[in-house]
Amino acid sequence: QKEVEQNSGPLSVPEGAIASLNCTYSDRVSQSFFWYRQYSGKSPELIMSIYSNGDKEDGRFTAQLNKASQYVSLLIRDSQPSDSATYLCAVNRAVTGGGNKLTFGTGTQLKVEL
Amino acid sequence: DTEVTQTPKHLVMGMTNKKSLKCEQHMGHRAMYWYKQKAKKPPELMFVYSYEKLSINESVPSRFSPECPNSSLLNLHLHALQPEDSALYLCASSQRTGPYNEQFFGPGTRLTVL
Repeated sequence: QKEVEQNSGPLSVPEGAIASLNCTYSDRVSQSFFWYRQYSGKSPELIMSIYSNGDKEDGRFTAQLNKASQYVSLLIRDSQPSDSATYLCAVNRAVTGGGNKLTFGTGTQLKVEL
Repeated sequence: DTEVTQTPKHLVMGMTNKKSLKCEQHMGHRAMYWYKQKAKKPPELMFVYSYEKLSINESVPSRFSPECPNSSLLNLHLHALQPEDSALYLCASSQRTGPYNEQFFGPGTRLTVL
């Protein structure tokens, strides 16, 4: 089982619709969760972080966390063509010997169509 | 200043060359990271520095040698690389290395090994 799993897509949504991106993780003791957006040929850009169960909203983005189900999601409202990118889910967990490690899922490619 | 900078943007090197990648941040962050990203794959952690000390080495081959001269700078020295080492090398920083610290990425150095 992969540590962080995402549907690779592509996920196609029409402009103005809600895009829903999902992520599951295997390590129950993971403490923090992040969504990054990565345009082709560019570096990852942090969109959202979430640490507690429930919803966290920031503009058009809402992150949802359910630790019991080991599930994180990202909703993008009023999707725009500029939202077309790969969305990476990342999970932070403690590692043996001390310290923390960010592990990324393989990413979901989102395409917002006109 | 909320930026992580990396130089050079592109690097082409032969297998016998020695080169260095440079990363700089002026956000007062005390944790810095090197990641490697192959095409259509997620970033993979290579090294973590905390307060200028190496805290995590993800079993990276010795042909990659990290260095943290001060709290703002991170270098990655390269020698005797292989063509399969061609990738996007990403630097990131965070305030500290704990789980509730967001990592911010630089633009990356695209490395090609001939």
